[in-house]
Amino acid sequence: DAKTTQPTSMDCAEGRAANLPCNHSTISGNEYVYWYRQIHSQGPQYIIHGLKNNETNEMASLIITEDRKSSTLILPHATLRDTAVYYCIVRVANSNSGYALNFGKGTSLLVTP
Amino acid sequence: GAGVSQSPSNKVTEKGKDVELRCDPISGHTALYWYRQSLGQGLEFLIYFQGNSAPDKSGLPSDRFSAERTGGSVSTLTIQRTQQEDSAVYLCASRGGGFEQYFGPGTRLTVT
Repeated sequence: DAKTTQPTSMDCAEGRAANLPCNHSTISGNEYVYWYRQIHSQGPQYIIHGLKNNETNEMASLIITEDRKSSTLILPHATLRDTAVYYCIVRVANSNSGYALNFGKGTSLLVTP
Repeated sequence: GAGVSQSPSNKVTEKGKDVELRCDPISGHTALYWYRQSLGQGLEFLIYFQGNSAPDKSGLPSDRFSAERTGGSVSTLTIQRTQQEDSAVYLCASRGGGFEQYFGPGTRLTVT
């Protein structure tokens, strides 16, 4: 699996957009980019995933650069409840491991009032 | 609707004892995963089940760890002769036909 690099921590003011970057310069053509988050003392929560095209759902938007070497997760209007550790994961679908995820250290996002 | 449930939520055990952790996946989800999260660390993959079989056990840290799944539903993770380094939160996730995994709340294991 391609390695990912994320900032250790970020701050964002409530109501503003939170832009979380992820570098995955060694990504292969058949690897997807997934984002999960983990709120304190809870299990991780799926946010969004993509392969090449930008994606948007009710939680966030995912912008993937044309060369796919980096991506940005955007929370358009951050709230205090978005304070969490955000994980960027690159993973190929593999019949043996069935999309098992390799979580790194993630980015600790603090949304402030 | 019902999500992934795990039991117990907390378990304190003495070093050397065996423990069993249980996971009830979302009904109908054929894929099930076990992960663990040590204090201040990221999540570490342990094992993956497709139905009742485990095609990938590569993450199990030692032969003291084993897991089984019966009836394509409930899974049990067993740790024999627990050690202090086994202390962690053990998380279970299940997946249906899509990409996303749904995680349970975890079992916090403390080995004294």
